[in-house]
Amino acid sequence: EAGVTQSPTHLIKTRGQQATLRCSPISGHTSVYWYQQALGLGLQFLLWYDEGEERNRGNFPPRFSGRQFPNYSSELNVNALELEDSALYLCASSPRTGVSQDTQYFGPGTRLTVL
Amino acid sequence: AQSVTQLGSHVSVSEGALVLLRCNYSSSVPPYLFWYVQYPNQGLQLLLKYTTGATLVKGINGFEAEFKKSETSFHLTKPSAHMSDAAEYFCAVTVSNTGKLIFGQGTTLQVKP
Repeated sequence: EAGVTQSPTHLIKTRGQQATLRCSPISGHTSVYWYQQALGLGLQFLLWYDEGEERNRGNFPPRFSGRQFPNYSSELNVNALELEDSALYLCASSPRTGVSQDTQYFGPGTRLTVL
Repeated sequence: AQSVTQLGSHVSVSEGALVLLRCNYSSSVPPYLFWYVQYPNQGLQLLLKYTTGATLVKGINGFEAEFKKSETSFHLTKPSAHMSDAAEYFCAVTVSNTGKLIFGQGTTLQVKP
Protein backbone atom coordinates (compact mmCIF):
# COMPACT_ATOMS: atom_id res chain seq x y z
CA GLU A 1 0.00 0.00 0.00
CA ALA A 2 1.42 3.37 -0.99
CA GLY A 3 2.11 5.82 1.78
CA VAL A 4 1.50 9.55 1.89
CA THR A 5 3.20 11.26 -1.01
CA GLN A 6 4.23 14.89 -1.29
CA SER A 7 5.48 17.03 -4.14
CA PRO A 8 7.76 18.65 -4.88
CA THR A 9 10.58 17.35 -2.71
CA HIS A 10 12.32 20.70 -2.74
CA LEU A 11 11.05 24.15 -3.60
CA ILE A 12 13.06 27.33 -3.83
CA LYS A 13 11.27 30.66 -3.94
CA THR A 14 12.09 34.30 -3.32
CA ARG A 15 10.49 36.65 -0.84
CA GLY A 16 7.03 37.79 -1.86
CA GLN A 17 6.36 34.86 -4.18
CA GLN A 18 3.72 32.18 -3.69
CA ALA A 19 4.41 28.51 -3.03
CA THR A 20 2.12 25.56 -3.68
CA LEU A 21 2.75 22.23 -2.00
CA ARG A 22 0.84 19.06 -2.78
CA CYS A 23 -0.09 15.97 -0.80
CA SER A 24 -1.77 12.68 -1.65
CA PRO A 25 -3.06 10.72 1.34
CA ILE A 26 -3.04 7.00 1.82
CA SER A 27 -5.84 5.38 -0.14
CA GLY A 28 -9.01 5.31 1.96
CA HIS A 29 -7.91 8.10 4.29
CA THR A 30 -10.18 11.12 4.38
CA SER A 31 -8.35 13.45 6.76
CA VAL A 32 -5.25 15.39 5.75
CA TYR A 33 -3.07 17.42 8.09
CA TRP A 34 -0.27 19.90 7.43
CA TYR A 35 2.61 20.64 9.80
CA GLN A 36 5.55 23.02 9.62
CA GLN A 37 8.94 21.93 10.90
CA ALA A 38 11.12 25.02 11.08
CA LEU A 39 14.60 25.13 12.54
CA GLY A 40 14.40 25.98 16.19
CA LEU A 41 10.59 25.98 16.28
CA GLY A 42 9.87 22.28 16.21
CA LEU A 43 6.81 20.69 14.65
CA GLN A 44 3.78 22.95 14.55
CA PHE A 45 0.25 22.11 13.43
CA LEU A 46 -0.90 24.17 10.44
CA LEU A 47 -4.17 22.85 9.02
CA TRP A 48 -6.61 19.97 9.11
CA TYR A 49 -8.86 19.08 6.17
CA ASP A 50 -11.54 16.46 6.06
CA GLU A 51 -14.22 15.73 3.48
CA GLY A 52 -13.19 18.83 1.56
CA GLU A 53 -13.62 21.18 4.49
CA GLU A 54 -11.09 23.01 6.64
CA ARG A 55 -11.73 21.66 10.14
CA ASN A 56 -9.06 23.45 12.12
CA ARG A 57 -6.03 25.67 11.68
CA GLY A 58 -3.07 26.41 13.88
CA ASN A 59 -1.64 29.75 14.88
CA PHE A 60 -0.50 30.83 11.43
CA PRO A 61 -1.40 33.96 9.43
CA PRO A 62 -4.08 33.82 6.71
CA ARG A 63 -1.45 33.78 3.96
CA PHE A 64 -1.16 30.09 4.81
CA SER A 65 -4.15 28.43 3.20
CA GLY A 66 -5.09 25.28 1.43
CA ARG A 67 -7.78 23.05 0.15
CA GLN A 68 -8.79 19.43 -0.15
CA PHE A 69 -9.99 17.99 -3.41
CA PRO A 70 -12.77 15.42 -3.97
CA ASN A 71 -10.15 12.66 -4.22
CA TYR A 72 -8.93 13.74 -0.73
CA SER A 73 -5.59 15.04 -1.98
CA SER A 74 -4.64 18.42 -0.63
CA GLU A 75 -2.77 21.56 -1.51
CA LEU A 76 -1.04 24.01 0.83
CA ASN A 77 -0.56 27.53 -0.47
CA VAL A 78 1.74 30.06 1.12
CA ASN A 79 1.36 33.60 -0.21
CA ALA A 80 3.71 36.55 0.15
CA LEU A 81 6.58 34.33 1.22
CA GLU A 82 8.83 35.50 4.02
CA LEU A 83 12.31 34.28 4.89
CA GLU A 84 10.99 32.64 8.06
CA ASP A 85 8.67 30.43 6.01
CA SER A 86 11.70 28.34 5.11
CA ALA A 87 10.97 24.96 6.63
CA LEU A 88 10.09 21.34 6.01
CA TYR A 89 6.36 21.05 5.42
CA LEU A 90 4.93 17.69 6.38
CA CYS A 91 1.62 16.28 5.31
CA ALA A 92 -0.12 13.48 7.18
CA SER A 93 -3.30 11.50 6.70
CA SER A 94 -5.56 9.42 8.92
CA PRO A 95 -8.44 7.10 8.14
CA ARG A 96 -11.32 8.54 10.12
CA THR A 97 -12.80 11.93 10.76
CA GLY A 98 -12.02 13.45 14.12
CA VAL A 99 -10.93 10.25 15.82
CA SER A 100 -8.16 11.44 18.09
CA GLN A 101 -6.62 8.05 18.69
CA ASP A 102 -6.15 7.37 15.00
CA THR A 103 -2.57 7.43 13.85
CA GLN A 104 -1.48 10.23 11.58
CA TYR A 105 0.77 8.81 8.85
CA PHE A 106 3.32 11.24 7.54
CA GLY A 107 4.77 11.86 4.12
CA PRO A 108 8.42 12.63 3.41
CA GLY A 109 7.86 16.37 3.35
CA THR A 110 8.56 19.30 1.06
CA ARG A 111 11.61 21.40 1.87
CA LEU A 112 10.73 25.05 1.14
CA THR A 113 13.58 27.52 0.95
CA VAL A 114 12.81 31.21 0.70
CA LEU A 115 15.65 33.41 -0.53
CA ALA B 1 -4.36 22.42 27.62
CA GLN B 2 -2.24 19.55 26.42
CA SER B 3 1.53 19.79 26.22
CA VAL B 4 4.55 17.54 25.90
CA THR B 5 8.03 17.92 27.33
CA GLN B 6 10.95 15.82 26.22
CA LEU B 7 13.81 15.87 28.67
CA GLY B 8 17.16 16.03 26.93
CA SER B 9 17.54 17.34 23.41
CA HIS B 10 20.50 15.02 22.80
CA VAL B 11 21.11 11.53 24.14
CA SER B 12 24.22 9.53 23.38
CA VAL B 13 24.55 5.80 24.03
CA SER B 14 26.94 3.07 23.03
CA GLU B 15 25.86 0.34 20.66
CA GLY B 16 24.23 -2.42 22.70
CA ALA B 17 23.39 -0.14 25.62
CA LEU B 18 19.92 0.67 26.94
CA VAL B 19 18.09 3.50 25.24
CA LEU B 20 15.86 5.69 27.43
CA LEU B 21 14.17 8.75 25.97
CA ARG B 22 12.00 10.72 28.36
CA CYS B 23 8.61 12.24 27.70
CA ASN B 24 6.24 13.93 30.13
CA TYR B 25 2.82 15.17 29.16
CA SER B 26 0.18 17.47 30.49
CA SER B 27 -3.44 16.75 29.69
CA SER B 28 -6.76 17.52 31.31
CA VAL B 29 -8.34 14.49 29.69
CA PRO B 30 -7.12 10.92 29.18
CA PRO B 31 -4.34 11.36 26.65
CA TYR B 32 -3.55 9.57 23.44
CA LEU B 33 0.24 9.45 23.20
CA PHE B 34 2.55 8.72 20.31
CA TRP B 35 6.25 8.27 19.62
CA TYR B 36 7.53 9.05 16.15
CA VAL B 37 11.02 8.72 14.70
CA GLN B 38 12.51 10.94 12.01
CA TYR B 39 15.59 9.89 10.06
CA PRO B 40 17.61 12.62 8.32
CA ASN B 41 15.76 14.26 5.45
CA GLN B 42 12.71 12.08 5.92
CA GLY B 43 9.21 12.35 7.33
CA LEU B 44 7.96 10.93 10.60
CA GLN B 45 7.44 7.23 11.16
CA LEU B 46 5.21 5.93 13.94
CA LEU B 47 7.06 3.83 16.50
CA LEU B 48 4.16 3.16 18.86
CA LYS B 49 1.08 4.68 20.44
CA TYR B 50 -0.95 4.49 23.60
CA THR B 51 -4.71 4.93 23.48
CA THR B 52 -6.34 2.82 26.17
CA GLY B 53 -5.79 -0.54 27.84
CA ALA B 54 -2.39 -2.04 28.50
CA THR B 55 0.03 0.58 29.76
CA LEU B 56 3.11 -1.12 28.34
CA VAL B 57 3.08 -0.58 24.61
CA LYS B 58 5.35 -2.41 22.21
CA GLY B 59 6.32 -0.85 18.93
CA ILE B 60 8.48 -1.45 15.93
CA ASN B 61 12.24 -2.04 15.92
CA GLY B 62 12.26 -3.33 19.49
CA PHE B 63 11.05 -0.11 21.10
CA GLU B 64 8.49 0.03 23.87
CA ALA B 65 6.98 2.67 26.13
CA GLU B 66 5.10 2.62 29.39
CA PHE B 67 2.22 4.95 30.16
CA LYS B 68 2.40 6.05 33.81
CA LYS B 69 -0.55 8.20 34.71
CA SER B 70 0.71 8.96 38.22
CA GLU B 71 3.96 10.33 36.79
CA THR B 72 2.38 11.80 33.62
CA SER B 73 5.13 10.07 31.68
CA PHE B 74 5.48 8.03 28.52
CA HIS B 75 9.17 7.19 28.31
CA LEU B 76 10.55 5.29 25.32
CA THR B 77 13.00 2.44 25.85
CA LYS B 78 14.95 -0.14 23.90
CA PRO B 79 17.09 -2.75 25.65
CA SER B 80 19.96 -2.69 23.18
CA ALA B 81 20.80 0.21 20.87
CA HIS B 82 21.74 -0.39 17.27
CA MET B 83 23.61 2.00 15.01
CA SER B 84 20.52 2.26 12.83
CA ASP B 85 18.57 3.75 15.77
CA ALA B 86 20.42 7.05 15.38
CA ALA B 87 17.67 9.54 14.55
CA GLU B 88 15.44 12.19 16.07
CA TYR B 89 12.57 11.02 18.24
CA PHE B 90 9.37 12.92 18.92
CA CYS B 91 6.78 12.35 21.60
CA ALA B 92 3.31 13.69 20.81
CA VAL B 93 -0.16 13.99 22.31
CA THR B 94 -3.43 14.54 20.49
CA VAL B 95 -5.83 17.32 21.31
CA SER B 96 -9.37 15.94 21.18
CA ASN B 97 -11.50 16.90 18.19
CA THR B 98 -8.95 19.32 16.78
CA GLY B 99 -6.94 17.06 14.48
CA LYS B 100 -3.88 18.47 16.16
CA LEU B 101 -0.84 16.57 17.33
CA ILE B 102 1.25 18.49 19.85
CA PHE B 103 4.88 17.48 19.64
CA GLY B 104 7.72 17.70 22.07
CA GLN B 105 10.88 19.43 20.96
CA GLY B 106 12.48 16.17 19.95
CA THR B 107 15.44 14.16 21.19
CA THR B 108 18.36 13.36 18.93
CA LEU B 109 19.73 9.91 19.66
CA GLN B 110 23.38 9.30 18.87
CA VAL B 111 24.67 5.72 18.92
CA LYS B 112 28.40 5.29 19.30
CA PRO B 113 30.20 2.18 18.08
